[in-house]
Amino acid sequence: GAGVSQSPSNKVTEKGKDVELRCDPISGHTALYWYRQRLGQGLEFLIYFQGNSAPDKSGLPSDRFSAERTGESVSTLTIQRTQQEDSAVYLCASSSHSYEQYFGPGTRLTVT
Amino acid sequence: DQQVKQNSPSLSVQEGRISILNCDYTNSMFDYFLWYKKYPAEGPTFLISISSIKDKNEDGRFTVFLNKSAKHLSLHIVPSQPGDSAVYFCAASSLYNTNAGKSTFGDGTTLTVKP
Repeated sequence: GAGVSQSPSNKVTEKGKDVELRCDPISGHTALYWYRQRLGQGLEFLIYFQGNSAPDKSGLPSDRFSAERTGESVSTLTIQRTQQEDSAVYLCASSSHSYEQYFGPGTRLTVT
Repeated sequence: DQQVKQNSPSLSVQEGRISILNCDYTNSMFDYFLWYKKYPAEGPTFLISISSIKDKNEDGRFTVFLNKSAKHLSLHIVPSQPGDSAVYFCAASSLYNTNAGKSTFGDGTTLTVKP
């Protein structure tokens, strides 16, 4: 079946511009996660959606970052006024009733 | 404070030998542990997991050991194959967390298996 998809796969933007990253989770998965991986570093948790519960935003690094999810489907991560330190691979994952997460291929964001 | 630590950033082993990747955690509320494998330009993929009620879980060439008293887990790969070369992430979750299912990840260990 279809896995988690993310778009775009690559995004180059100028400092100060806003960007939107999209994630399509596996159908039926109630949980959706966003992570950031900077070059040579581990997975940094950003935000977690679980069903209709309030999202866990504890990992968002600043108020320039926000995310939305429509029901139990698509999610968008928005970064406003991008900075060079926002350059990273942004990974989305979804899961059903288990702890096991299924990851998308990521969006590589480069801020110039 | 990093709750899940993989102290070895890299590991190199010879094909056919055993690879042992280690992970330590500090939060005693963690009760479910997972290993993921990541190839370049791909997202991580689930490899194997273990519940805190067990101390060992085996799946083919992969075995995960859990030592709760030491708050330590390890992933053993035997025999190692060149295709196992990847970054391995350790992750931990808590059933008691209000956001059960949310995992905390380590920084990863890059495994290189030499032919």
